[in-house]
Amino acid sequence: NAGVTQTPKFQVLKTGQSMTLQCAQDMNHEYMSWYRQDPGMGLRLIHYSVGAGITDQGEVPNGYNVSRSTTEDFPLRLLSAAPSQTSVYFCASRPRTGATGNTIYFGEGSWLTVV
Amino acid sequence: ILNVEQSPQSLHVQEGDSTNFTCSFPSSNFYALHWYRWETAKSPEALFVMTLNGDEKKKGRISATLNTKEGYSYLYIKGSQPEDSATYLCASINQAGTALIFGKGTTLSVSS
Repeated sequence: NAGVTQTPKFQVLKTGQSMTLQCAQDMNHEYMSWYRQDPGMGLRLIHYSVGAGITDQGEVPNGYNVSRSTTEDFPLRLLSAAPSQTSVYFCASRPRTGATGNTIYFGEGSWLTVV
Repeated sequence: ILNVEQSPQSLHVQEGDSTNFTCSFPSSNFYALHWYRWETAKSPEALFVMTLNGDEKKKGRISATLNTKEGYSYLYIKGSQPEDSATYLCASINQAGTALIFGKGTTLSVSS
């Protein structure tokens, strides 16, 4: 049972480079989200999606792009990496039905360093 | 954007001490309150999901209460152990009911 799978786990980028963090879930969950975790800041919501073809901005969307072409996949794109985007990124998913009472499932995290 | 506040930011206790933290959230349009335990280099681990005013939930030595009318939740740890050292995050559902908004967390350190 794979759950939520994130790749890559570790990545080093140069300033200005672009890259995509992949996220896939095999639980047929409608809701998916991307968070970044920084010391003393908790988990901050970047973008989220409530279903295929529907995405919306979270608290800190600038510098990131997302798309949701299928229920399973929710990639996060860094358009032009900046040192301020050095962080740990978590993808999460949960079902829509009874959504407010459902635990969300997290991926294992992607450690990104921008130099 | 929903504002979720946690206090204290960090806490240091001795093994065997009992402790508690606070999570505050807007009481209007409340949907659910989640508690997670997060250790560095690991995914957040779900502790509780609470939806009803007056909810009390327990998992081993950890318990939580919820007051939706005044907008707060307490997390209690009884007889803290070194393995309880972690960051404890609370989160509330946003007003559209579509995403979880997290507080900044309370980092607990337990010394033996």
